Amino acid sequence: GAVVSQHPSWVICKSGTSVKIECRSLDFQATTMFWYRQFPKQSLMLMATSNEGSKATYEQGVEKDKFLINHASLTLSTLTVTSAHPEDSSFYICSAVRTASSYNEQFFGPGTRLTVL
Amino acid sequence: DAKTTQPNSMESNEEEPVHLPCNHSTISGTDYIHWYRQLPSQGPEYVIHGLTSNVNNRMASLAIAEDRKSSTLILHRATLRDAAVYYCILRRGQGAQKLVFGQGTRLTINP
Repeated sequence: GAVVSQHPSWVICKSGTSVKIECRSLDFQATTMFWYRQFPKQSLMLMATSNEGSKATYEQGVEKDKFLINHASLTLSTLTVTSAHPEDSSFYICSAVRTASSYNEQFFGPGTRLTVL
Repeated sequence: DAKTTQPNSMESNEEEPVHLPCNHSTISGTDYIHWYRQLPSQGPEYVIHGLTSNVNNRMASLAIAEDRKSSTLILHRATLRDAAVYYCILRRGQGAQKLVFGQGTRLTINP
């Protein structure tokens, strides 16, 4: 099956610093990737759609200057949380759409737990 | 996006079948019905999807009502490893469309 990895799996940072989270499709190419955020006991909330070689599309209410997304290659998308604050502490999950699939199957990464002190 | 409605929680016993219902009364003709599950502290995992006909795979079966306004995910013989939150999601067409997650059903399996 298709594998999506995220790095790091968890990170703790101080308030005001920036944190970069990587999402990689290990054995397939992904033109499109998605970033989600999940707070404890809640469902996944879509943050943005990341398309290779173009600007990300952000969902309503998500600050594009705070959550920087770069999709520089067909196997890598990064999410940078700039000037992180405690309220940004959450579980961040990415997913990747397998380009070669006729059905456009979507595979999820294992998530990155961010804690901002 | 068409909305789905699922029970907040369900409980079953190990080695028994589990039927997880999902209502989607506003489904459109091009909406595919997807099921994903999420184990604690992990990303969601694909379970099954279908359009009109019932579907079977190694993980589960998907029974779709004739009017497509509801569907049921069937785990034929639940194990403790099936304890998870199960999400029923509609996705329009076969393009690389985003998935919009609802609250899902938290399934507890008793030993």
